[in-house]
Amino acid sequence: NAGVTQTPKFRILKIGQSMTLQCTQDMNHNYMYWYRQDPGMGLKLIYYSVGAGITDKGEVPNGYNVSRSTTEDFPLRLELAAPSQTSVYFCASSYLPSEQYFGPGTRLTVT
Amino acid sequence: AQSVTQLGSHVSVSEGALVLLRCNYSSSVPPYLFWYVQYPNQGLQLLLKYTTGATLVKGINGFEAEFKKSETSFHLTKPSAHMSDAAEYFCAVSDDNAGNMLTFGGGTRLMVKP
Repeated sequence: NAGVTQTPKFRILKIGQSMTLQCTQDMNHNYMYWYRQDPGMGLKLIYYSVGAGITDKGEVPNGYNVSRSTTEDFPLRLELAAPSQTSVYFCASSYLPSEQYFGPGTRLTVT
Repeated sequence: AQSVTQLGSHVSVSEGALVLLRCNYSSSVPPYLFWYVQYPNQGLQLLLKYTTGATLVKGINGFEAEFKKSETSFHLTKPSAHMSDAAEYFCAVSDDNAGNMLTFGGGTRLMVKP
């Protein structure tokens, strides 16, 4: 039981490039989330999903897109990367919305 | 709307001393309250939670927190700090009005001196 896995662990992007951050969970959780963590700012919710085929915006969705075609996977797409998207990205999943299990994170730098 | 304030972005204690990390929240309905811990280069791990019932909640690694409705607080304590407690701690709140989605505080980095 691996829990929540994220790839890649680190990535450097040039301004304007695109990439997909992968997130997979093997706990059969319905709820999945993407957060970004900036220094001293806590975690901000980007997008979340309450089940396959259903996604919704969180607090800071601009510049990102998501899809949820299966229960297990919840990829986050960055189009036209900008320096403001330099951050650590965490994926989480849960059976109940509030008891979330977090992945190890992806550290992204946009230069 | 919910919000969470963690007083003190950095707290330093000596090994063996009391740990007190402060968290105040705002919520228009009865809240669910959480403390998460983040060790360096890792994701967040649930430390403890309050949903209903007993207001003193015990968690992992000897930590506990008390829900005080009159003070809108949920402070985290541990009687005796260990070096291994050095980490960042996040308080979070959710409630029925927000679909039980978590709102996080800004975090408190705990440093433990030998």
